[in-house]
Amino acid sequence: DGGITQSPKYLFRKEGQNVTLSCEQNLNHDAMYWYRQDPGQGLRLIYYSQIVNDFQKGDIAEGYSVSREKKESFPLTVTSAQKNPTAFYLCASSPGTQWGELFFGEGSRLTVL
Amino acid sequence: AQSVAQPEDQVNVAEGNPLTVKCTYSVSGNPYLFWYVQYPNRGLQFLLKYITGDNLVKGSYGFEAEFNKSQTSFHLKKPSALVSDSALYFCAVRDFNQAGTALIFGKGTTLSVSS
Repeated sequence: DGGITQSPKYLFRKEGQNVTLSCEQNLNHDAMYWYRQDPGQGLRLIYYSQIVNDFQKGDIAEGYSVSREKKESFPLTVTSAQKNPTAFYLCASSPGTQWGELFFGEGSRLTVL
Repeated sequence: AQSVAQPEDQVNVAEGNPLTVKCTYSVSGNPYLFWYVQYPNRGLQFLLKYITGDNLVKGSYGFEAEFNKSQTSFHLKKPSALVSDSALYFCAVRDFNQAGTALIFGKGTTLSVSS
C-alpha cells in the first residue's frame, strides 16, 4: 500500500540531545513537508521541500534541520537549540501541484524529559 | 497575509442532526481550500477541497462544503451526524506566499457528536 511512514511514533529525549524523526513515502511525490502540532494552535510549517536536494524554511524553522537526499525520504532533526520541542510532529507529501492535497503520516510525538 | 480562521473551538451536535463546522479565509487572489479530519494521536485525513467550479463540494464520509466568495467562507457540513464523526477538523488554504505548495491551517474545531 502506498503511504507515508513516520518513525518512531513516540520518542523521549533529554534536554540537550538532538533527535531525528524519520519520514518515508512511497507515493512518488515530489514535495514533502514537516508540520508541528501543539494543542489549540493548529499546524505550523517547519520545513518543506519541493524537489530532491532542495528545501526551504517554513514559519518556525529555528532549532530544526532537514535533508532531502532521496525523493522518498525527508528526515527532521530537532536540535538542542529548539527551546520547546515537546510536540506532535507531522510529515506530509504531495504531488507538488498547486491544486493537490497533502497526504499525512501518522505522526511522531516527541517528549522532552 | 493569507490566513484561515475557525471561529469555534468546539461544536456539539446530537447524532442524526445536521452539523456545520465554520471556516473563513483571507487570501489575495483565488483561494484553494481544503478540509481535513484528525482522530486522536493520528495523522490528518483529507476530506475535500475547492479549487474552482461548483460552489458545493462533496467529499469523503458524506461530508460536503460550500464555498461562498462574498462571505469568504468555506463551511463544512453533513446532513446527519454520526457518533463516529467526533474528531478534530481543520480548514486549510494554499499558501501562495511561499514558493512551494504548503498549506496554512486553522487552529482546528473539535466536533463532538452525542448519542
